[in-house]
Amino acid sequence: DQQVKQNSPSLSVQEGRISILNCDYTNSMFDYFLWYKKYPAEGPTFLISISSIKDKNEDGRFTVFLNKSAKHLSLHIVPSQPGDSAVYFCAASAAASGTYKYIFGTGTRLKVLA
Amino acid sequence: DTEVTQTPKHLVMGMTNKKSLKCEQHMGHRAMYWYKQKAKKPPELMFVYSYEKLSINESVPSRFSPECPNSSLLNLHLHALQPEDSALYLCASSQEQAFPTNYGYTFGSGTRLTVV
Repeated sequence: DQQVKQNSPSLSVQEGRISILNCDYTNSMFDYFLWYKKYPAEGPTFLISISSIKDKNEDGRFTVFLNKSAKHLSLHIVPSQPGDSAVYFCAASAAASGTYKYIFGTGTRLKVLA
Repeated sequence: DTEVTQTPKHLVMGMTNKKSLKCEQHMGHRAMYWYKQKAKKPPELMFVYSYEKLSINESVPSRFSPECPNSSLLNLHLHALQPEDSALYLCASSQEQAFPTNYGYTFGSGTRLTVV
C-alpha cells in the first residue's frame, strides 16, 4: 500500500518555464511534508518543507502548495533551469502522532530542456 | 562540514561474505538513519539511531546489523546477504529525531551494494 504517490514518473519542461511536480497521499494523519532532489550517484538533497498548518511555502524559485482536503501537494519551480534536471521525491510524516518516520513517494524525473 | 560521508561507494559481495558499510557526519546531528533504495522505488527506512541508541528497527532481517559506536559514526554490518538485498544503501542524519525540523535529513551519496 503506497501511502505517498507520485503518479508522473517523468516530466519534461522547457528552460525558463514552470515545472509542476505533484504528490498525493492517503494517510490523513500526515502533517509534515518534504521535497527532495536527487542527482545520479548522489544522495537526496533537501529542498523545501511544509507543515499542515500552512498551505504554501516559498523559497526562492521553489514553492510548495498543500491542499489538505485533496491530500495533495505540489512543487512549483519557476523559472526552470537545466540544473534542475533530477529525480524529485516527496516525503510525508505523521509528526503529531509521534511517528517520526518519513514515507517517500516513488519520485518524478524532471528534465529541463535548454 | 555539512556532509554525510558514506564508504565504500560501491561494494560487491558474495552471499557468504561479511562486510560493513560506514557512515560519518560531523554536524553534531544526534539522529542517524539507514535507508534502502531499490531501482525505481522510494527510499525505505531500515533503522533509526537517536543519541546513539537504536530507536526504530523497521523489521529488518538480522543479516543486517546496525551499530552506532559514537555520535558521528553509523555502521551497517552485513552477513549472509541474498541477491535481492542488492540496492543503494543511504545513510542520513538530522539534528534530532523529533519534529518539526525545517531542514529534513542530510543524506549521504549512498553505497551501491551488489550481492552475487
